[in-house]
Amino acid sequence: GAGVSQSPSNKVTEKGKDVELRCDPISGHTALYWYRQSLGQGLEFLIYFQGNSAPDKSGLPSDRFSAERTGGSVSTLTIQRTQQEDSAVYLCASSVRASPWNEQFFGPGTRLTVL
Amino acid sequence: GQQLNQSPQSMFIQEGEDVSMNCTSSSIFNTWLWYKQDPGEGPVLLIALYKAGELTSNGRLTAQFGITRKDSFLNISASIPSDVGIYFCAGQLLRDAGGTSYGKLTFGQGTILTVHP
Repeated sequence: GAGVSQSPSNKVTEKGKDVELRCDPISGHTALYWYRQSLGQGLEFLIYFQGNSAPDKSGLPSDRFSAERTGGSVSTLTIQRTQQEDSAVYLCASSVRASPWNEQFFGPGTRLTVL
Repeated sequence: GQQLNQSPQSMFIQEGEDVSMNCTSSSIFNTWLWYKQDPGEGPVLLIALYKAGELTSNGRLTAQFGITRKDSFLNISASIPSDVGIYFCAGQLLRDAGGTSYGKLTFGQGTILTVHP
């Protein structure tokens, strides 16, 4: 498909476990963004990549959250020692480049539930 | 940090009615955008506004970028059942402390729209 894809679509985990969320951006898009959407809330910026570099990690809620991107393509968001407050939909977006002039295209998200 | 206040939180309307929702900010944005999110999907861009005072239409949608750069509204005319969803406003800066902005979006809380046939 031509759009942004994310996997898994749903993830249920137990408190304290680690989880990995994957994002496949649109081919050729150099910029990749992660957002978090808590129930009934708007999207909250977490981190962005330009290529494989993450110049701004300021949105990551705690040091339990990390992200990487390899080959300028796939990105993985890792949450260690998950807590119940981590439950949310994690959305990924990509754009041609990291600029306010380039539209961000969103994936369908991964719904994370921490029991 | 910057916050956007979006209202109303939810709307229940009859098919054919017009809808209006708005966003306000405590600080200036250079770009205002409006997105729609369907269940189980990511947000999709509806309209982007780049200039203060700008009024832009896209079919039955009309949006305006407030003259103060701190607010925006979205109108939907003659609503139809497929308009159901969550509508988000978002703001962007063209420049930040580090130079040219990388396009970070700051979102409002969303407006849930229900259209009764």
